[in-house]
Amino acid sequence: DGGITQSPKYLFRKEGQNVTLSCEQNLNHDAMYWYRQDPGQGLRLIYYSQIVNDFQKGDIAEGYSVSREKKESFPLTVTSAQKNPTAFYLCASRRLAGDVNEQFFGPGTRLTVL
Amino acid sequence: KQEVTQIPAALSVPEGENLVLNCSFTDSAIYNLQWFRQDPGKGLTSLLLIQSSQREQTSGRLNASLDKSSGRSTLYIAASQPGDSATYLCAATGTASKLTFGTGTRLQVTL
Repeated sequence: DGGITQSPKYLFRKEGQNVTLSCEQNLNHDAMYWYRQDPGQGLRLIYYSQIVNDFQKGDIAEGYSVSREKKESFPLTVTSAQKNPTAFYLCASRRLAGDVNEQFFGPGTRLTVL
Repeated sequence: KQEVTQIPAALSVPEGENLVLNCSFTDSAIYNLQWFRQDPGKGLTSLLLIQSSQREQTSGRLNASLDKSSGRSTLYIAASQPGDSATYLCAATGTASKLTFGTGTRLQVTL
């Protein structure tokens, strides 16, 4: 079964802690993306990567970090510098070659700060 | 900077009714426009993708249109069913395949 997996489904963080959200895809997609979703605000882009060992900041990168050591994996770390991290986090991927560049999404991770 | 707006924010219709969801975008220099469905607490499911050179795409009871010159897209759902109840999001694709999302239309189809 090809697809995008995110873990954990639910994550609780104490103030001052760093946490890492996992995103794995077996679609052989080149590009991967992290979005944050808040009620009434739609999805906002945090970071994206089009190739291994390279990534770019999105619109709201402050307080987040990523790595892309493998094509299949794009973990997101929410650092203590992120002031309001409680949100629903979505990972996506897409193939770069060809005309159709449809993005596919994982099931999401809901992060709550206690 | 691209801005995407969806109207209405919420919609309730009786089963069997045909309906139209609207999406507008400010920058017409897009590669494509994508429509997604999101169920509560879940990820996004891609419904239709319209390339910038196309006018419409159809999948089953769904039909999406694109008018780049006016910055508008519509999603038409025929013969709505209770299972269609969800939030529908549109997203415009710009450079580096970055998507700009609208805030969504929450649809409820009643029996």
